[in-house]
Amino acid sequence: AQSVTQPDARVTVSEGASLQLRCKYSYSGTPYLFWYVQYPRQGLQLLLKYYSGDPVVQGVNGFEAEFSKSNSSFHLRKASVHWSDSAVYFCVLGTGGYKVVFGSGTRLLVSP
Amino acid sequence: DPKIIQKPKYLVAVTGSEKILICEQYLGHNAMYWYRQSAKKPLEFMFSYSYQKLMDNQTASSRFQPQSSKKNHLDLQITALKPDDSATYFCASSQERTGDAETLYFGSGTRLTVL
Repeated sequence: AQSVTQPDARVTVSEGASLQLRCKYSYSGTPYLFWYVQYPRQGLQLLLKYYSGDPVVQGVNGFEAEFSKSNSSFHLRKASVHWSDSAVYFCVLGTGGYKVVFGSGTRLLVSP
Repeated sequence: DPKIIQKPKYLVAVTGSEKILICEQYLGHNAMYWYRQSAKKPLEFMFSYSYQKLMDNQTASSRFQPQSSKKNHLDLQITALKPDDSATYFCASSQERTGDAETLYFGSGTRLTVL
């Protein structure tokens, strides 16, 4: 069965520090992978997506993610976080045919 | 301008009543979805529609009925409301293209509180 695991429910980093949010997926086929961000009292917004090709994909606001087939991972990174990055981040697996599987989300808190 | 409009933004209902949540998308997408988010479950898939036809239904209760009167509308009717139905309901859409069918665009949600 397909699944997405975000092992860290909460992550706290200091402003200006680097960030990595972890995501592991389980799927035997070719995955489509996404990261979404949800700011308080808002809907989810697409940060970036991976279909194929270069395993490092760039997203909005300086975010990037790296796909690793060998590790079944799609970790999200940012070189220097800002307080406005505080939000919930969801890793999502697309398996084709309009079907997606959401991770449970990681709540990021950026402290001053 | 928001491309996916959900109305109302906030909704308070009494137990046993019926409400309709409205969703309209102006992205030209063929597929639309409903998701529910509560403290118990971060994001729960409910329904998916493509070209106004039901593709998938993961909602156990028949009290939840999607309604698609136009190709860019997917409303959600909820009957016999219970306090457990309190959640934020998100509408989403996507376009049928390789790699894009699973790229979801979300509305800002309707926060439902059932008293």
